[in-house]
Amino acid sequence: EPEVTQTPSHQVTQMGQEVILRCVPISNHLYFYWYRQILGQKVEFLVSFYNNEISEKSEIFDDQFSVERPDGSNFTLKIRSTKLEDSAMYFCASSEDLYGYTFGSGTRLTVV
Amino acid sequence: AQSVTQPDIHITVSEGASLELRCNYSYGATPYLFWYVQSPGQGLQLLLKYFSGDTLVQGIKGFEAEFKRSQSSFNLRKPSVHWSDAAEYFCAVGFNTDKLIFGTGTRLQVFP
Repeated sequence: EPEVTQTPSHQVTQMGQEVILRCVPISNHLYFYWYRQILGQKVEFLVSFYNNEISEKSEIFDDQFSVERPDGSNFTLKIRSTKLEDSAMYFCASSEDLYGYTFGSGTRLTVV
Repeated sequence: AQSVTQPDIHITVSEGASLELRCNYSYGATPYLFWYVQSPGQGLQLLLKYFSGDTLVQGIKGFEAEFKRSQSSFNLRKPSVHWSDAAEYFCAVGFNTDKLIFGTGTRLQVFP
């Protein structure tokens, strides 16, 4: 069964550093998403991406965040200057159509 | 405002017992409804979803859920729980956009 692949599985970074989380969506999917889950809390929507542009973003997704599909296969989330409160599990998802989500296994980001 | 509520934070059942996890939503129309399961350190796996039609939905791993419009609920059920069902269960709802809003989750513990 096709999978959404996320790398790395765990990343530790120092506060203020830039971090890029990488995702390889399922190849024929058109919709791409990032969600995050702070430890012990619920999963929260960050951003959706379709046709090479952001289609919707949450309040969390401020100027420190950006997304890119640089080469037609990868889908990245960049956090420009990490804060302690950015520590969370970040999930990438892709979808062939509305709500046909497949989630990746996540990247645990720890900001120290 | 649109919201999703999972009233039970933690449920403990004995192996072989039946299970019902509750989910309620607040929305003026019928949303798209999902249940996901998350094992420790893992990603989100879709158990089942409801878009329209028959209000009793069958999913993977022997789970089912019933949409009740009058109660704005989408409760997840399993007739006989196995120890491997111990995990966190998330109800998620789509309200007219392609993003999902997740409930806070219910942690299921299974005793032998």
